[in-house]
Amino acid sequence: NAGVTQTPKFRILKIGQSMTLQCTQDMNHNYMYWYRQDPGMGLKLIYYSVGAGITDKGEVPNGYNVSRSTTEDFPLRLELAAPSQTSVYFCASRAQGWYNEQFFGPGTRLTVL
Amino acid sequence: GESVGLHLPTLSVQEGDNSIINCAYSNSASDYFIWYKQESGKGPQFIIDIRSNMDKRQGQRVTVLLNKTVKHLSLQIAATQPGDSAVYFCAEGNNAGNMLTFGGGTRLMVKP
Repeated sequence: NAGVTQTPKFRILKIGQSMTLQCTQDMNHNYMYWYRQDPGMGLKLIYYSVGAGITDKGEVPNGYNVSRSTTEDFPLRLELAAPSQTSVYFCASRAQGWYNEQFFGPGTRLTVL
Repeated sequence: GESVGLHLPTLSVQEGDNSIINCAYSNSASDYFIWYKQESGKGPQFIIDIRSNMDKRQGQRVTVLLNKTVKHLSLQIAATQPGDSAVYFCAEGNNAGNMLTFGGGTRLMVKP
């Protein structure tokens, strides 16, 4: 299994541009998550999904959108990029059930100039 | 709001010594606690977890201690190795781990 994969690894955007961060997992996990990590800080939850067709906001959802049309994919959309969205973005997934660990992808480093 | 925090932002230890990384949590409803390791340029990697009905759990070279009375969590690493150098995060969860809140992280530096 490849686990959780994310593309791209790096991206530089201009203010006002849009982009989609891709996340795919091949473990047939129902739960998927998007986090952002600012320099020297912990992870903050942006959005999460408990299954295909179901998404919900996390702690910091403003400026982002998600969709979950399949079990495998959970893309994160930035519509109007702002410098405050400069961060490292991590996608994670976990199996349904109690006390199952979250598996993280390698991250996407995004810079908005 | 509820939060998870850490006492020490940076910990430097000699190779072969034991390391202790501490974490304070404030949500008494949390029933699940996890330690993650994050190496530079990589995503967090699960180390060990503990449920609120336990006060100690051991893994390979790692031990997690939970003190619910003072809302404190610690990670002990035995015989610390250079490969243990990383940032360590504690996280707390409720609802059987569906949602996690992460702390700010502690950087562990292992001196040869």
